[in-house]
Amino acid sequence: SQQGEEDPQALSIQEGENATMNCSYKTSINNLQWYRQNSGRGLVHLILIRSNEREKHSGRLRVTLDTSKKSSSLLITASRAADTASYFCATDAFMSGGYQKVTFGTGTKLQVIP
Amino acid sequence: DGGITQSPKYLFRKEGQNVTLSCEQNLNHDAMYWYRQDPGQGLRLIYYSQIVNDFQKGDIAEGYSVSREKKESFPLTVTSAQKNPTAFYLCASSIVGGTQPQHFGDGTRLSIL
Repeated sequence: SQQGEEDPQALSIQEGENATMNCSYKTSINNLQWYRQNSGRGLVHLILIRSNEREKHSGRLRVTLDTSKKSSSLLITASRAADTASYFCATDAFMSGGYQKVTFGTGTKLQVIP
Repeated sequence: DGGITQSPKYLFRKEGQNVTLSCEQNLNHDAMYWYRQDPGQGLRLIYYSQIVNDFQKGDIAEGYSVSREKKESFPLTVTSAQKNPTAFYLCASSIVGGTQPQHFGDGTRLSIL
């Protein structure tokens, strides 16, 4: 079953604008990650936020985490055409044997128009 | 440069045929994973391995098989028992221990002839 659900499913903005994507999940997590996928390519890790953190920055990326609402948001500031991609949140939980099971959401497809 | 190499990029399967997708990594990672991605959907875990000679079923293992004879290699076989194999297959690897980012290959797109 899908743990994370991104919202919106698709987003189209002009270059230079900010893009905000949201992720909601159902069960308690240890950490939440965001990945980017360019069309026809593999996923690329962007940022990881731990359950005891509320906000994290990396370059033009800002991630927030609200564990009480079981939600996270990814903000891309001053977007560029090269940011056009699908963005996935991924939540994890420890399973027996110490395995960290990562569950990916369905993704937000971002289009940045030059 | 370190990374994950998946081959082939495109693969076609005939009815009743088994096909094998290759995944090789030179990141010295102990953990490796296979995911299936269908259009407009997220990734679903097929199999994972945390150490050589050991692997576990994921959420959708039926119709698939894997081996992990070498640390660098984690091939996936799509068997004839998998009735709907058309999808984008992604291989990933990571360090074991805690939450670690996964590094992905560029995928293999499998279609039915």
